[in-house]
Amino acid sequence: EDQVTQSPEALRLQEGESSSLNCSYTVSGLRGLFWYRQDPGKGPEFLFTLYSAGEEKEKERLKATLTKKESFLHITAPKPEDSATYLCAVQAGTASKLTFGTGTRLQVTL
Amino acid sequence: GAGVSQSPRYKVAKRGQDVALRCDPISGHVSLFWYQQALGQGPEFLTYFQNEAQLDKSGLPSDRFFAERPEGSVSTLKIQRTQQEDSAVYLCASSLEVVGEKLFFGSGTQLSVL
Repeated sequence: EDQVTQSPEALRLQEGESSSLNCSYTVSGLRGLFWYRQDPGKGPEFLFTLYSAGEEKEKERLKATLTKKESFLHITAPKPEDSATYLCAVQAGTASKLTFGTGTRLQVTL
Repeated sequence: GAGVSQSPRYKVAKRGQDVALRCDPISGHVSLFWYQQALGQGPEFLTYFQNEAQLDKSGLPSDRFFAERPEGSVSTLKIQRTQQEDSAVYLCASSLEVVGEKLFFGSGTQLSVL
C-alpha cells in the first residue's frame, strides 16, 4: 500500500526565515510526486509535479526537489501570504488516483 | 465556468438521511475524482471517472456510497443512510488528461451528520 508521510505537522516561521518541508514516501512504481497548497475552506491548488530522482522545480519562493525516498519543499524568504497547508501526494503503478499525506500547516508571521 | 464548482457548499443531514452532492467540472475535462477530507487530514480517494465510465471505485468506504457521471460532465456523489462518521469535506477534482495528473479541485461540500 502506498504511504506518504509529511513532517513537520506544523511550522511557524517569521517573514524572511527560510525552511524546508519534508515528504517521505513508500510506493511501488512511482509515476509522479505532487505538491499542492490548500488554504482554509478551499480545495488544494496544484504547485508542482516531479517525476524522477534529481528533478527540481521552482515557482517564486518555492522550490521542490525529489530523491528516491523523499521530496522537499524549500521556502525561501517566506511572506505571510505563503501561510497555508502544503500537501504532498504520489501517483504510483497503474492507478490514476493520488495518495495524499496529512500535510504541513505553515504559518508565516511578520 | 472558470473552475470546478461544487454544490451545496454546506450540508447538514440527520443520521439516516440520504444526501446528494454535485460536482460541475471544468468543461472538456476527461478525468473526474472524488475525495473525502476529514478535519486535519489529507484528502482520501473515493472514486475516479474517465468520461462517463467509473474506472476505479476502490476508495468508496461502503455500499452506502454511490457516484455517477452519466453524460461525462456533471457528477453526483450520493450517500445513503448517512452516519456520523460520514461527516467530512467532500472534494471533487477534474483533469484535462486521461492520466489525471494536474488536478483542479473545487472548494468542496462540507457535510455534517447530526
